[in-house]
Amino acid sequence: NAGVTQTPKFRILKIGQSMTLQCTQDMNHNYMYWYRQDPGMGLKLIYYSVGAGITDKGEVPNGYNVSRSTTEDFPLRLELAAPSQTSVYFCASSPLGQGGYGYTFGSGTRLTVV
Amino acid sequence: AQRVTQPEKLLSVFKGAPVELKCNYSYSGSPELFWYVQYSRQRLQLLLRHISRESIKGFTADLNKGETSFHLKKPFAQEEDSAMYYCALKSGNTGKLIFGQGTTLQVKP
Repeated sequence: NAGVTQTPKFRILKIGQSMTLQCTQDMNHNYMYWYRQDPGMGLKLIYYSVGAGITDKGEVPNGYNVSRSTTEDFPLRLELAAPSQTSVYFCASSPLGQGGYGYTFGSGTRLTVV
Repeated sequence: AQRVTQPEKLLSVFKGAPVELKCNYSYSGSPELFWYVQYSRQRLQLLLRHISRESIKGFTADLNKGETSFHLKKPFAQEEDSAMYYCALKSGNTGKLIFGQGTTLQVKP
């Protein structure tokens, strides 16, 4: 049981380039989330999804896009990378939106935009 | 506004000393709160949830609605407790979590 798998683990992008951060979970969780982690700022929600075909913006969605074509996959797309998107990105999943089950996190993607 | 505040960026204690990591929240309604921990080079993991009133690795946290706090406590710190700790508040019915800024706990030998 792999849990939540994120790829790549590290990436350096040049300003203006695009890339997709991959996230896959094998726990049949309906709810999936993308957060970014910046020093001293905690984790900020970028996008989330409550099921296949349904996505919604979080607190800091600008510069990002997501899709959820299957229950398992929730990729995060960066278009026109900017230095402000240098961060560590975490994908997480949860079985339900209620009940306080908590999240299962991926190992993170460390992205640097230069 | 819904908010989670962890006032200390860094908490440094000696092994065997008591630990209290502070967390205050702002939420209208009945809150659901969590503590997550991130050990060095490991992924974030759930430490405990207030609804289960459990003790994990010797840590406990009590919800105080009057003071809007959910402080994490441990009577005797161990070196292996050194990590980043995040307090989180569930927002709405889509499972979104609002995280605090995080507190780094450093336990010195």
